[in-house]
Amino acid sequence: DTGVSQNPRHKITKRGQNVTFRCDPISEHNRLYWYRQTLGQGPEFLTYFQNEAQLEKSRLLSDRFSAERPKGSFSTLEIQRTEQGDSAMYLCASSLVETSGIEQFFGPGTRLTVL
Amino acid sequence: GENVEQHPSTLSVQEGDSAVIKCTYSDSASNYFPWYKQELGKRPQLIIDIRSNVGEKKDQRIAVTLNKTAKHFSLHITETQPEDSAVYFCAASIPGGGADGLTFGKGTHLIIQP
Repeated sequence: DTGVSQNPRHKITKRGQNVTFRCDPISEHNRLYWYRQTLGQGPEFLTYFQNEAQLEKSRLLSDRFSAERPKGSFSTLEIQRTEQGDSAMYLCASSLVETSGIEQFFGPGTRLTVL
Repeated sequence: GENVEQHPSTLSVQEGDSAVIKCTYSDSASNYFPWYKQELGKRPQLIIDIRSNVGEKKDQRIAVTLNKTAKHFSLHITETQPEDSAVYFCAASIPGGGADGLTFGKGTHLIIQP
């Protein structure tokens, strides 16, 4: 499968625990984006990377959230001290900027449930 | 920041009829407008997009129009089929302008009646 992949697909955790999600972009895509989607809403932008540099962060990204892309390939999103309001689908997308491709292609998402 | 409004929230049409979904945006600097289709439990899939240097783009049964002056853009689906049933999202961004993240509308649930 050459599309964007995300792991795990589902995560159930207890309030206060830390969780980490992984995203593998389409091979050679240099941009990687994180979004959050709650039921009945459109995705909300959280942050994005160009290669390993984090270039933009939404004010939705509280200090409990941290994202990394250390080698410019896969990325991780960590949520510390999870709260029930963090329950959502976390989507990753990637794009290749050098071509005309600003199109963002989404992964299947990680569904987080905080009990 | 950018704000994208999308209407209607639900649209029911007879199979074979046309469907139109409308979006407005607030930031006149936005210049990239994609549309995504999301089926239940699946990832959003890009179906068509338009950049601000063109007013209309068509791909088979799907077309998008953009009115920069009025800051609105629309998705048109002709000859609707049952497989068109899904939630459709419009979005806006400013690629390379410090707002590369997409701002999405709240979505339109399109129902195709047989």
